Amino acid sequence: EDQVTQSPEALRLQEGESSSLNCSYTVSGLRGLFWYRQDPGKGPEFLFTLYSAGEEKEKERLKATLTKKESFLHITAPKPEDSATYLCAVQLNRDDKIIFGKGTRLHILP
Amino acid sequence: DVKVTQSSRYLVKRTGEKVFLECVQDMDHENMFWYRQDPGLGLRLIYFSYDVKMKEKGDIPEGYSVSREKKERFSLILESASTNQTSMYLCASSLLHQPQHFGDGTRLSIL
Repeated sequence: EDQVTQSPEALRLQEGESSSLNCSYTVSGLRGLFWYRQDPGKGPEFLFTLYSAGEEKEKERLKATLTKKESFLHITAPKPEDSATYLCAVQLNRDDKIIFGKGTRLHILP
Repeated sequence: DVKVTQSSRYLVKRTGEKVFLECVQDMDHENMFWYRQDPGLGLRLIYFSYDVKMKEKGDIPEGYSVSREKKERFSLILESASTNQTSMYLCASSLLHQPQHFGDGTRLSIL
């Protein structure tokens, strides 16, 4: 069965304390892996797409990496405005549906 | 920028009512999707559409139907609303094989 698992479920960090969020997947045929950010009461906002193992993407304090079995979202020197739920999703190469993980709730303390 | 607009941010309805949730996208995307999001369960796909007048069942279609009469508009219909359909409903659109872009959601309460 195709599955996406994110860990940890929740993470509290001090401002400036770098860390990583994990997304592991078991799917039959990966087309691409996406990272989204979701603020309370809002829809997910697209951040990155990764297509192949070894690929990396960066945006401000965020860097996403991909291996054959997992992806990491690295957060460097986070600020309180980085607090949000981060969702990982995989798109299978047999159709355009996406399988979402349940997300990591990130809270950055000032 | 991609704009996906959902007609209502908050909606309160009674059990047994027929409920319409509307979604419009302005980027000429072929694909459109309806999800519901519940605490602890994440995002679950209800229905999706790859083209006008075309629809496919997602993972939890029971109690729902959809309509796509125009490319830019995708409607979700709750035929007879029940309390277990209280949820956050999210609409998304995408080009073929591209990431989905989401609206801000409709928080629906069924009393």
